[in-house]
Amino acid sequence: RKEVEQDPGPFNVPEGATVAFNCTYSNSASQSFFWYRQDCRKEPKLLMSVYSSGNEDGRFTAQLNRASQYISLLIRDSKLSDSATYLCVVSFNDMRFGAGTRLTVKP
Amino acid sequence: ETGVTQTPRHLVMGMTNKKSLKCEQHLGHNAMYWYKQSAKKPLELMFVYNFKEQTENNSVPSRFSPECPNSSHLFLHLHTLQPEDSALYLCASSQDLDRHYGYTFGSGTRLTVV
Repeated sequence: RKEVEQDPGPFNVPEGATVAFNCTYSNSASQSFFWYRQDCRKEPKLLMSVYSSGNEDGRFTAQLNRASQYISLLIRDSKLSDSATYLCVVSFNDMRFGAGTRLTVKP
Repeated sequence: ETGVTQTPRHLVMGMTNKKSLKCEQHLGHNAMYWYKQSAKKPLELMFVYNFKEQTENNSVPSRFSPECPNSSHLFLHLHTLQPEDSALYLCASSQDLDRHYGYTFGSGTRLTVV
C-alpha cells in the first residue's frame, strides 16, 4: 500500500461545478495534513492545512477522518484558474506526498 | 528578495559534467530540504538539513552531494549523472523539523541529463 494515495484523475469539469478529491494515508500516527496546489511546470504551493474539525477557506473545504485515515478536498463553484494538480501531503517524521490529482476546469 | 529562490531555473548537462544547484531562503527558517519530482510520481525526499546539519539522507546515490554552509543556503552538487536523473529538483524550507506549518518551495530547477 502506498503511503499516500490519491484519486489518479484527471478530473475534467465545467466552470461552476463542485469537485471532490480524496486521499488515504497508511501511517495512523500521522500528525499534520495539507493540500498543496501545483501548476504546470511550477512549484507546489500550500493551499490549506487540514484540521481534525474540518476547515473552510472560501470555496475550498478540507476534511480529515483519522479513524478511516482519509482526507478530502472539496472545491465549490470551480473557476478556470483552479486548473492544476492537487497534492495531498501527510506528515509524521517527514512529509509524504501523494502523486497528485490533475484538475482541468473548462469553460 | 523573499521566499525561497532557486537557481538555475533550467539546466542541461552531459553525463560527465559537474554542476551545482543553489537554493536560498529569506524566511528565517531552520530546516531545508531537497526533493526530486519525476513525471507522474510523488515528490521524493532526498536530503534534510536542520540548523545546517544533515539529518536525513534518503539513500540518495553519491553522484548527488548536498552542502549547507548556513541555515539560509543549500546546494546540490551534481556529477556523472544518468539520463534517469532528469527531473524537477525542488528546494523547500520549513520553520523547523516539526513541519507543522508545511513547507515553502522554491520554483525548482528543471534538469535534463543528456
